[in-house]
Amino acid sequence: VQMTQSPSYLAASPGESVSISCKASKSISNNLAWYQEKPGKANKLLIHSGSTLQSGTPSRFSGSGSGTDFTLTIRSLESEDFAVYYCQQYNEYPLTFGSGTKLEIK
Amino acid sequence: EVQLVESGGGLVQPGRSLKLSCAASGFTFSNYYMAWVRQAPKKGLEWVATISTSGSRTYYPDSVKGRFTISRDNAKSSLYLQMNSLKSEDTATYYCARRGFITTPADYWGQGVMVTVSS
Repeated sequence: VQMTQSPSYLAASPGESVSISCKASKSISNNLAWYQEKPGKANKLLIHSGSTLQSGTPSRFSGSGSGTDFTLTIRSLESEDFAVYYCQQYNEYPLTFGSGTKLEIK
Repeated sequence: EVQLVESGGGLVQPGRSLKLSCAASGFTFSNYYMAWVRQAPKKGLEWVATISTSGSRTYYPDSVKGRFTISRDNAKSSLYLQMNSLKSEDTATYYCARRGFITTPADYWGQGVMVTVSS
């Protein structure tokens, strides 16, 4: 399953809201996760099952979608949110990731 | 606290072998599937292998199947990745992750270990 993530780069200011899209090449039900990558830190699982927040994920993060189209939305950006985000499907092998979205401060 | 600490990386020549280890703590290791994921320099993430709780079932993408072997020692709470016939395209940071299989995403990751395949 190919995962097409967009945009690859996003610049925003603290307080703004942003959305990241992830499209699967075939239906993956809701077996989609979103991860956050930050330098010097372990990757963090933010959302699983398309829209379920992992324990510890702030409520300003939300996920939506099922089938082939998914979206990660971050409301009221905080400084700690500027990072790289990846989607991943775990519906079938091989497990596959999107190419990533780098979220930078404008 | 869940901790996953990788080791064993380094510089290796093409065609040679290398074995990575991952020491797990903070959870009952034997109860969880485990996985390896890699990231080539300036590239995205690529799933490399998954192993069942007992080690009886393993899964690989075509890019490493037949060359890499995932294994575990539940008594030592350790995960391993034996990498044979290494190629330059295997150069990456390798991450150990808890879970990471069908219907269940990886919920904890290590900080990774670098493997460079070069002559």
